[in-house]
Amino acid sequence: GAVVSQHPSRVICKSGTSVKIECRSLDFQATTMFWYRQFPKQSLMLMATSNEGSKATYEQGVEKDKFLINHASLTLSTLTVTSAHPEDSSFYICSVGSSSTDTQYFGPGTRLTVL
Amino acid sequence: GDSVTQMEGPVTLSEEAFLTINCTYTATGYPSLFWYVQYPGEGLQLLLKATKADDKGSNKGFEATYRKETTSFHLEKGSVQVSDSAVYFCALEESYIPTFGRGTSLIVHP
Repeated sequence: GAVVSQHPSRVICKSGTSVKIECRSLDFQATTMFWYRQFPKQSLMLMATSNEGSKATYEQGVEKDKFLINHASLTLSTLTVTSAHPEDSSFYICSVGSSSTDTQYFGPGTRLTVL
Repeated sequence: GDSVTQMEGPVTLSEEAFLTINCTYTATGYPSLFWYVQYPGEGLQLLLKATKADDKGSNKGFEATYRKETTSFHLEKGSVQVSDSAVYFCALEESYIPTFGRGTSLIVHP
């Protein structure tokens, strides 16, 4: 199955800085990738659907100017948290779908801590 | 480490049939448990959850009970509809980190 990597796995930054998270599909060409947030004891929350070569589709309540998504190639999507604040501290995870196997392949996630 | 195992699909049923999708987990502590559903072309959506032992999550006719003694969280529905056709993911969350099963495809025929 598809192998999905994320980089970095963990990042600590100061409030007001921007952080870029990469999601790579290592052996699978992904026209669509999904970005999620995970809070402790809560469900995974879909943030946006990243489409290769076009603008991402954001879920209601997710600020597109704050969470910038770029899907420049079939193997790479990036999520940039701009002007990060402590409330943006969370676990961010991406996934890649496979229409042939009806499954999702999840990246290992990135833990963001904003001080 | 934590892990989630769910039955392989596809599961193919006729409309109004009874559905069970098995899910078992291993965890070091006391995780929260979730079922997510994914429709074609869309991201995962939360279907139901349970945060402690013996809790029952329910939504849209689906139910699952957190069974600590058997480390299970099986998904059930008494009467499935064609519109329930989707991929279902069992997951747990512990110490901030989610762990997912591989997903089970459900196909419901009229």
